[in-house]
Amino acid sequence: DSGVTQTPKHLITATGQRVTLRCSPRSGDLSVYWYQQSLDQGLQFLIQYYNGEERAKGNILERFSAQQFPDLHSELNLSSLELGDSALYFCASSVGSGGSLGQYFGPGTRLTVL
Amino acid sequence: SQQGEEDPQALSIQEGENATMNCSYKTSINNLQWYRQNSGRGLVHLILIRSNEREKHSGRLRVTLDTSKKSSSLLITASRAADTASYFCATNSGGSNYKLTFGKGTLLTVNP
Repeated sequence: DSGVTQTPKHLITATGQRVTLRCSPRSGDLSVYWYQQSLDQGLQFLIQYYNGEERAKGNILERFSAQQFPDLHSELNLSSLELGDSALYFCASSVGSGGSLGQYFGPGTRLTVL
Repeated sequence: SQQGEEDPQALSIQEGENATMNCSYKTSINNLQWYRQNSGRGLVHLILIRSNEREKHSGRLRVTLDTSKKSSSLLITASRAADTASYFCATNSGGSNYKLTFGKGTLLTVNP
C-alpha cells in the first residue's frame, strides 16, 4: 500500500460525458502527478501540482483539467469523453516538487468509455 | 512521447535465474528510476540512480547507468515467481522539468 488513494476504482461511462477522478496523496506529500496508461500510448504524464499550484504540464488534452485543493487532494476532470480516452489513470505523489525523488503511485482508476 | 525504451519487451525465465532488463533514453537526465507494475495495478518505485552514479544496489536489485551510452540496466538476482510483473524505466531531466518520462516496459515472467 503506497498511501496514495484513488477513487473510483472503475468508471464506465458514455461518449460525450464528463467524469471526475479523485486522488489523495500520501500524508506529507505536496506534489501530485497524473498519468494516463493505455495500450497504444503507454504511460503518459499529464500534469503535476505542487502545493495547490500547477507545476508542469505534459500531454494533457484541452478537454482535461485538474486542480489541487487546500487539503492537497487532487481531482482530474475529463470532459467530452471519447472512446480513445478509455485507459488507466494513475495519480502519484512525492514530498518535493522536483523529480529528484521517487513517486508513489495510487492503484489507479480504470475508465471505460462506451 | 517515450524517452526510455526497454529491452527486451518480454522475458521469461525460471525461478532462481537472474533477469536483466535494459533501458535506453535519448536526452540528458538528472536521474533514472525503475518501477514495477503488477498486472493492472499501480506502479511501485524500486530504485533511483542519479546521473553521477554508475551503480546502485537494493536487495536483489542492481542498477547500472551509463550516461555516455544513455542506457541503464536492471538486474534481478535469484528471481522468484512473485517477481512476475512489468518493469518500467523512467527518466527525469531535472531543472524545471519535474515530470517522469516512462518507457513501454519489459514484461517479466518467472516460472516456478
